[in-house]
Formats: sequence, C-alpha cells, structure tokens
Amino acid sequence: SQQGEEDPQALSIQEGENATMNCSYKTSINNLQWYRQNSGRGLVHLILIRSNEREKHSGRLRVTLDTSKKSSSLLITASRAADTASYFCATDLMFSGGYNKLIFGAGTRLAVHP
Amino acid sequence: GAGVSQSPSNKVTEKGKDVELRCDPISGHTALYWYRQSLGQGLEFLIYFQGNSAPDKSGLPSDRFSAERTGGSVSTLTIQRTQQEDSAVYLCASSSMEGEKNIQYFGAGTRLSVL
Repeated sequence: SQQGEEDPQALSIQEGENATMNCSYKTSINNLQWYRQNSGRGLVHLILIRSNEREKHSGRLRVTLDTSKKSSSLLITASRAADTASYFCATDLMFSGGYNKLIFGAGTRLAVHP
Repeated sequence: GAGVSQSPSNKVTEKGKDVELRCDPISGHTALYWYRQSLGQGLEFLIYFQGNSAPDKSGLPSDRFSAERTGGSVSTLTIQRTQQEDSAVYLCASSSMEGEKNIQYFGAGTRLSVL
C-alpha cells in the first residue's frame, strides 16, 4: 500500500474559503513534501517540512507535521480558482546508501469554484 | 536546459510494439527518477539513477520494462511488447545532490496510449 495516503480524495470549495488536505504515513521519515499537479502536467514542489519541524508557512500555504501521529496537513488559505489542482504528499524515506526515495500518495483533487 | 524535458509528449502505439520514452534532466542534476501515473492515481515509482551507482530498479513492474541513463544525463525508458495496461502517463524527475537534494523537479510527462 502507499506510504502516504491523503484525504479527502476530492474537495470542492468556493473561492475565498480555506482548503485543508491531510496525509498519513506509516514509517519513519526524513521529511515530508507537498506537490501540486495541474491537469495533464508534471508535479511542482510546494513545500518541504523536516521531521524535526512542526509547522511551516509559504505564502498562503501552511503545513503541519505530527510525527507522533504520522500525519501532515496542508492548508491553503483564501483559495482561488487557480488553486484548482491535485495535491500530493510525498514522504522521504531513510535509505542507506545516501539517497532518498519519495513515496507519493494518491492525492487530493481540489476544485475551487469562482 | 531550464527544466526537465520529456519526449514525446504523447505516444500512441499498438499492442505488442516497443516504445522508447526520453527524459532530459536539469543540467547538473545527478539523480533521475521515472514514475508511472495511471488516470486519477498517484505516482508509482519505477526506477532511480544516481551518478555512477547501480540503479534502483525495484519498481519496474515486469521484465518488459528497462531504462538506461547514458553519460549521467539523458535517460530512456523502454517498454517492450506493450500491453494495454501499460497505458499511463510516464513522468521523469531529477534532483540535485547539493542543497535541498530531496526536492524533485518533474517533466510534463509522456502520455502513452496502447491500443
């Protein structure tokens, strides 16, 4: 099964509302990242939070990490129609040999209506 | 180049044919990844290259899939005797071993349709 699992699978909101997406994972991580994917395009990195951090902000994005619960949340405040996309969490697993493997969840499809 | 480049952007092929997908990573990025994404799904890890080390092929779904990375730069993913279940978007990503080495930069993908 996927290391990272997001919920909800789909979220539909109005412009101006906040959108919250959650991610749970199973094993110890180096860090957790959130990526965005517009329809038919590649993924774009949004934010990285390290395992020793609890909260991080970037513009209208706020990410929290609770390693005791093995969960993270992504909050998008004051959403815009342009935020419509799929959002994926990716856990960076500790591997010997000095490289990192990201394991992606199935994503949350966010639709923001004008 | 400025970003990760993949070609072709779309590929339609007949069942049983072989296909080659190309990825040109960001210049200087030593790590390169291939993923597969089925419609509406997350990313499935296929293979990872890092410098001159042996690649991590643990995600390749069958021996019909193979990948090479020549000269530590361009990579090709080859699917032999394609099947309909191979239809998906194939994404390539690269990352640097400097700075934030964990962040991956993605190409726009190759949409493969096997008829």
